[in-house]
Amino acid sequence: DAGVTQSPTHLIKTRGQQVTLRCSPISGHKSVSWYQQVLGQGPQFIFQYYEKEERGRGNFPDRFSARQFPNYSSELNVNALLLGDSALYLCASSFWATEAFFGQGTRLTVV
Amino acid sequence: AQTVTQSQPEMSVQEAETVTLSCTYDTSESDYYLFWYKQPPSRQMILVIRQEAYKQQNATENRFSVNFQKAAKSFSLKISDSQLGDAAMYFCAYRSAGYSGAGSYQLTFGKGTKLSVIP
Repeated sequence: DAGVTQSPTHLIKTRGQQVTLRCSPISGHKSVSWYQQVLGQGPQFIFQYYEKEERGRGNFPDRFSARQFPNYSSELNVNALLLGDSALYLCASSFWATEAFFGQGTRLTVV
Repeated sequence: AQTVTQSQPEMSVQEAETVTLSCTYDTSESDYYLFWYKQPPSRQMILVIRQEAYKQQNATENRFSVNFQKAAKSFSLKISDSQLGDAAMYFCAYRSAGYSGAGSYQLTFGKGTKLSVIP
C-alpha cells in the first residue's frame, strides 16, 4: 500500500507569492493534518481536517489555509509568502484518533 | 496548552550499546498519548513507539522501550543494541486523548534530540 504522498518535494518561491502544497493520505484514512517544521525545530501543528471539515487550527496567520477534498486528499495554501515561511511542510494522515503516518514533506524555500 | 521539552539537543552512542533519550511534558489532562518519532535525513517522520497514559505498563517495541513516569511527567526512550540505522533526529510528542473541538488530535512536539551512532 502507498504511504502518505506529498507534492512537490521541493519548491522555491519569491516573497509575496502564493504556494499550494498537496497531500494524498493513506487509502482509508479520513483525517489529514499539516505541520510546519522550521530547521532545527520540532514540527508545529497548522491544521487538521476530517471528513472535509476543519477540526483544528494551530497558531498560524490567516495567510495559511487548507482544504480537504471528497477523496480525502488535501491542499495547504500559503499567501503573501514571507522569508520566515521557509520550512519543511509535513502532511500526516490517520484513520481518526489513531497513529499519524507522515509523508516525506515538501521543502519550501522563500527567497 | 501542553508543552514538550527535550533537554538533550545531541547524543551519541557506540554501536551495540544502550542510550536513553529524555523527554518531559507539561499538561493538566489526565488522559493522553505520548509518542517517540524518528526522523532520518530522508525527512519522513517514523513512529517508533506509543504510550497510553492510562496504561501503567511501559511500552516496548523490539529494541525500543520507554520509561513512563506519569506523576513526574517524564517519558524517556531507551534504545538497546544501537545500530547505525538508529542515527536520526528523535522527537517526543504529546497528543490529547479526548476531543474538545479545537484541534485536540494535534501532536505537540519537542525540539528533538540528534542521535549519532559511532561504529
